[in-house]
Amino acid sequence: KQEVTQIPAALSVPEGENLVLNCSFTDSAIYNLQWFRQDPGKGLTSLLLIQSSQREQTSGRLNASLDKSSGRSTLYIAASQPGDSATYLCAVKSSGSRLTFGEGTQLTVNP
Amino acid sequence: EAGVAQSPRYKIIEKRQSVAFWCNPISGHATLYWYQQILGQGPKLLIQFQNNGVVDDSQLPKDRFSAERLKGVDSTLKIQPAKLEDSAVYLCASSSGAGSNYGYTFGSGTRLTVV
Repeated sequence: KQEVTQIPAALSVPEGENLVLNCSFTDSAIYNLQWFRQDPGKGLTSLLLIQSSQREQTSGRLNASLDKSSGRSTLYIAASQPGDSATYLCAVKSSGSRLTFGEGTQLTVNP
Repeated sequence: EAGVAQSPRYKIIEKRQSVAFWCNPISGHATLYWYQQILGQGPKLLIQFQNNGVVDDSQLPKDRFSAERLKGVDSTLKIQPAKLEDSAVYLCASSSGAGSNYGYTFGSGTRLTVV
C-alpha cells in the first residue's frame, strides 16, 4: 500500500526567501507525481506533473524534482511571495491509477 | 476550457439525513474521481469511474455511500444516512485518461457539515 509523507507539516518564512518542501513515498513503482496547491476553502490547483521517467519540471518560480529510486520529491519555490501562502499537496499515481496524497505542507509567507 | 463543476458549494445537514452532491467533469474526460478530504488531511479516493463503469470503489463505505455516473458524463455522490464523521470536503476530479501521462483537474469541492 502506497503511503505519502510530507515534511514539514507547516512552514512560515519571510517574503523573498527560497524554500523547499519535501515529499516521500514508500512504493517507488509510480507512474507520475503531481504537486497541487490548495487555498483555504478551495479545491486543488495542479502546479507540476512529473512523469516517472523525468527528473524535474519547472514552471515560473517553481521547480519540482523526482528521485524515484529513493522515493523522494522536492518542490522548490524561489523568491517566495505572500500570495504563495497556501497548503501544498504532493500526490503519486501508482498501479490502478489511484492517486495517493500526502497530508500537505501549510506555507505562510510573511510580508 | 471550462473546469470541473461541483454543486452545492456548502451543505449543512443533521446526522441521519441524506445528502447528494453533483459533479460535471471537463468535457471529454473519460475518468472521474470522488475524493473525501477531512480537515487537516490529504484527500482520500472514494470512487473512480472510467466512462460510466466503476474502476475502483474499494475505499467507499458502501453501507451509506453510493455514486453513479450515468451516460459517462455527470456524476452524483450520495450519503444516506449521514454520520458526524462524514463532515469533510468532497472533491470531484476528472482526467482525460487513466494512464501515466494524464494529470488531474479538481473542482472547488462541496463542504459538508453534519451536526
